[in-house]
Amino acid sequence: KAGVTQTPRYLIKTRGQQVTLSCSPISGHRSVSWYQQTPGQGLQFLFEYFSETQRNKGNFPGRFSGRQFSNSRSEMNVSTLELGDSALYLCASSLTMNTEAFFGQGTRLTVV
Amino acid sequence: QQQVKQSPQSLIVQKGGISIINCAYENTAFDYFPWYQQFPGKGPALLIAIRPDVSEKKEGRFTISFNKSAKQFSLHIMDSQPGDSATYFCAARLNSGYALNFGKGTSLLVTP
Repeated sequence: KAGVTQTPRYLIKTRGQQVTLSCSPISGHRSVSWYQQTPGQGLQFLFEYFSETQRNKGNFPGRFSGRQFSNSRSEMNVSTLELGDSALYLCASSLTMNTEAFFGQGTRLTVV
Repeated sequence: QQQVKQSPQSLIVQKGGISIINCAYENTAFDYFPWYQQFPGKGPALLIAIRPDVSEKKEGRFTISFNKSAKQFSLHIMDSQPGDSATYFCAARLNSGYALNFGKGTSLLVTP
């Protein structure tokens, strides 16, 4: 069974640009959550989707947004990139509510 | 505000020794407590998890001890091996949602 797939693995963007990251969950999993990982702040929750609906959102500015498609694949978008957005962005998939979360390898975003 | 506090920040253990990582939480509504292991360049991998209705769970060399009254839980790695050298994260989640609240992580080095 394939794991969580995130694309691209690495990305370099310039301040002010926008970026879209993609996540394909484990087959059959309907929930996707996104996390930002930085050395200073650790792993921080961004948002979660279940059946194409955002169920929960972390404490991040509106520049961070996401969506989930009918096949459970998810994308997150960051607009007007800032240097502080440089991080590893991780996607996790779960079968449904209250089940184990499995992470992808992440997308390393560098903003210059 | 860090909802899960993890210690120590780093740990050095000799091969064959016991590695112990501790976590504490405040929110008594948390009801799921997983541990993740992360190697450099990889996403976090689910190691073991516990719910508050049991005080201990063991899987191979990994054991979670849970103290509900003290609001603390810990990971014990028995017979630690150099291959266990990684960063370990504890987390906690509410029954009502998917969002994982992570500790800051513990960098474990097991020396030969």
